[in-house]
Amino acid sequence: EVQLVQSGAEVKKPGESLKISCKASGYSITSYWIGWVRQMPGKGLEWMGMIYPGDSKTIYSPSFQGHVTISADDSISTAYLQWSSLKASDTAMYYCARPYYYDGSGQYYFDYWGQGTPVTVSS
Amino acid sequence: SYEVTQPLSVSVALGQTARITCGGNNIGSKNVHWYQQKPGQAPVLVIFRDINRPSGVPERFSGSNSGNTATLTISRAQRGDEAEYYCQVWDSTTVFGGGTKLTVL
Repeated sequence: EVQLVQSGAEVKKPGESLKISCKASGYSITSYWIGWVRQMPGKGLEWMGMIYPGDSKTIYSPSFQGHVTISADDSISTAYLQWSSLKASDTAMYYCARPYYYDGSGQYYFDYWGQGTPVTVSS
Repeated sequence: SYEVTQPLSVSVALGQTARITCGGNNIGSKNVHWYQQKPGQAPVLVIFRDINRPSGVPERFSGSNSGNTATLTISRAQRGDEAEYYCQVWDSTTVFGGGTKLTVL
């Protein structure tokens, strides 16, 4: 059974750093991309970027490029999303999700999702 | 960048048919995927590649896509279908619709 299990809730102050995780099981993490999706309070879904743990190739949404870093450790089947200096506007729920590519044109949908990691940034 | 538009809310009487739209320029030429998100839960894929249902999704859920509108149709709506629904397309990057809140009256 495919599962994506995320790390727990975080409460941080502005300027602090943070790294949250997403542990995959039930499949080979090196054979699929893992993506991150933000959902701000009361708002919709926003794609942030994704990583291919097999070779660590990453793709970022222009909206998030330079603001977050996506990484992975395939030895423990885990992907990460990190911030070096949090802002109050980073307060949101963050989901990891597995993109399933179905043709050679780069198109995909998210077939499995983690349970979400709530991040609160407040002074 | 490509944009898709969803109505903020749709209401349907219990047992009737709900239709949630996702509009975009020539969206019929793209594949559209739909997710259901209930309060406090992660999104769940309910339709992929316009018309396909993942295993475990009731047959009451169906999709179509033509011209400038993709549609998620929920037949015989139940209280358990109340949720936020998001469409997703790919146009050099992943684009989500703003979400539609479905209320079953």
